[in-house]
Amino acid sequence: DVKVTQSSRYLVKRTGEKVFLECVQDMDHENMFWYRQDPGLGLRLIYFSYDVKMKEKGDIPEGYSVSREKKERFSLILESASTNQTSMYLCASSPTGESHEQYFGPGTRLTVT
Amino acid sequence: GQNIDQPTEMTATEGAIVQINCTYQTSGFNGLFWYQQHAGEAPTFLSYNVLDGLEEKGRFSSFLSRSKGYSYLLLKELQMKDSASYLCAVKDSNYQLIWGAGTKLIIKP
Repeated sequence: DVKVTQSSRYLVKRTGEKVFLECVQDMDHENMFWYRQDPGLGLRLIYFSYDVKMKEKGDIPEGYSVSREKKERFSLILESASTNQTSMYLCASSPTGESHEQYFGPGTRLTVT
Repeated sequence: GQNIDQPTEMTATEGAIVQINCTYQTSGFNGLFWYQQHAGEAPTFLSYNVLDGLEEKGRFSSFLSRSKGYSYLLLKELQMKDSASYLCAVKDSNYQLIWGAGTKLIIKP
């Protein structure tokens, strides 16, 4: 079974703190994604990566950065957390190919106070 | 702009059949996905359609009409465990997934 793990299920941070969210997948997938999910909205893509050290901006990259130093690991960084970044963050991975689904991690519920 | 529309919430009875609709307007089309998401959990893949027609997988079926920009997910013999949100997502011309807000399905005994 494909397994995508995220470093924390729940996280509480203060405004202005630097926040690291880690995601690891064990199926050698090329593609990895970071989304945020808010009530009443669809999943919104923050950043994605098609290969090691490669990153592409999604729909809402402002206030975020990412790092992919190893194929299995994709990190999301909030440089200076703000209250409007309180959300559920979901990491996903997929193999290359248009018909392949994305496999999601359990999510990190981040609260910024 | 790109848009995926689904009903916000639906209610159905255990043992019955329910159809969840999804309409889309996207720049290009490279397939449509349905995911199930239980409260507090990650989305899990249900189905993929890229050609017109019906794809059946056990109690779940998914239909696509590309000319109408329309899909539906059909759930038969509903069980209480089917209470969840159902997410429709379309892969656009850049092969990026565009997501609907999801339909919360409530099953009553």
